[in-house]
Amino acid sequence: EVQLVESGGGLVKPGGSLRLSCAASGFTFSSYSMNWVRQAPGKGLEWVSSISSSSSYIYYADSVKGRFTISRDNAKNSLYLQMNSLRAEDTAVYYCARENPIVGATVLDYWGQGTLVTVSS
Amino acid sequence: SSELTQDPAVSVALGQTVRITCQGDSLRSYYASWYQQKPGQAPVLVIYGKNNRPSGIPDRFSGSSSGNTASLTITGAQAEDEADYYCNSRDSSGNHAVFGGGTQLTVL
Repeated sequence: EVQLVESGGGLVKPGGSLRLSCAASGFTFSSYSMNWVRQAPGKGLEWVSSISSSSSYIYYADSVKGRFTISRDNAKNSLYLQMNSLRAEDTAVYYCARENPIVGATVLDYWGQGTLVTVSS
Repeated sequence: SSELTQDPAVSVALGQTVRITCQGDSLRSYYASWYQQKPGQAPVLVIYGKNNRPSGIPDRFSGSSSGNTASLTITGAQAEDEADYYCNSRDSSGNHAVFGGGTQLTVL
C-alpha cells in the first residue's frame, strides 16, 4: 500500500524557516517524481514544487522561488521542503504527492494527509 | 491567478448527470487530471489522461476534452459525490503543474 506521511509543520514567525519531510513507503520511491502542493485555509490547491526521480529536474512556483528548496533522499525514501523567509501568505496545509509518469499530463496519484504550516507573529 | 478556469460552484439533483469544466490554453497540449476533495481530507485522483479512472473510482466518473476545455462528468450523481473538484495540468512552459480554482459540487 502506497503511503505518504508528511511532518514538520507548525507555527513560525514571519521571516522564519521550517523544514517539511515526507516519508514514503509501499512503492519504489526512487522511480517517481514527487511534488509539494499547498492549500491555504478555505482556498484552492496551489502547486509549489516538483523534483524528478534523480533530482535532475527541479521546478518551483513563482510564489516560492528563491525561498523554498525541494530535495529528496532516495536511500531514506524521503522528500523534503526547506522553507525560508516565510510570509503570512505561506500559511497552508502542505501535501506531498507522487507523480505518475503519464506522458502529456501531471498526474498526482497518491497524496499524503498534509501538514499545517502557520506563519504568524 | 490560475491558468486553468473552473466554475466556482455547480449543483446537481440526486441521480442526475453533471458536467464540471476546466478551461485553459495549455489543455490544447496537455491532458487534464481531476481530483475530488472532501472537507478535511486530502485530494483524491478520480480521472487522468484521456479518460482513465484509478482503481476504486466508480465508473460514473468520466472525463473528456475538446480544444481548450476539459470536462469531468458524473453520471447519476450520488450524495457522496458532494465535494470540491479540481482540475490540473501543466502550464504553458510545460515544466510547472497548475491547478484550476476548484468547483464546489452540491448534490441536491
